[in-house]
Amino acid sequence: QSALTQPPSASGSPGQSVTISCTGTSSDVGGYNYVSWYQQHPGKAPKLMIYEVTKRPSGVPDRFSGSKSGNTASLTVSGLQAEDEADYYCCSSYAGSDIYVFGSGTKVTVL
Amino acid sequence: EVRLVESGGGLVQPGGSLRLSCAASGFTVSNYWMFWVRQIPGEGLVWVSDMNKDGTNTMYADSVKGRFTISRDNAKNTLYLQMNSLRAEDTAVYYCVRGGLPAGLDCWGQGTLVTVSS
Repeated sequence: QSALTQPPSASGSPGQSVTISCTGTSSDVGGYNYVSWYQQHPGKAPKLMIYEVTKRPSGVPDRFSGSKSGNTASLTVSGLQAEDEADYYCCSSYAGSDIYVFGSGTKVTVL
Repeated sequence: EVRLVESGGGLVQPGGSLRLSCAASGFTVSNYWMFWVRQIPGEGLVWVSDMNKDGTNTMYADSVKGRFTISRDNAKNTLYLQMNSLRAEDTAVYYCVRGGLPAGLDCWGQGTLVTVSS
């Protein structure tokens, strides 16, 4: 199972939106609605931001939204704020099993 | 408060062994799927292993299969990762994580650093 493909970086000014893509295959991203997204600040543990493609855990701002089309999932951060500057990772179940594959990670910079 | 605290990391020589522990509080580990995820400093996250709720099914990444063993002590509410035949490429921060399908990995420990070097 290969890592899911994410762009290495993305950026936007405060108040703007940024969208991060996560491309897999029909065996992972495209085949199941088990895509999740994680935010990681430097030196900190990752934090769950989106699960089941579009759902937000309690406490995650609604500025964060997820979607999927075919083998590509996306995370959009609207109304960018300074605290959104972090690394973001997607994750998918492989073949609907108990095997998981992460994306390569995207560093989001707030200009 | 739901919390996971890892311990047991450190410096070990190639070919050596370590056992990581993950003490859970605020919830019962046997009610959840539990995971180990690792991250080489400066690199991305990699799924290592997981265990289902009743402990009857475990899965491993190909890179650690046959060398690492995930286990659990329900009485101590603690998850373990026994790591044998360690290699330099196993050097990473190891995170203990609660979660599973469909709800994602919703609680992460702070991580423990394992360094494999002579």
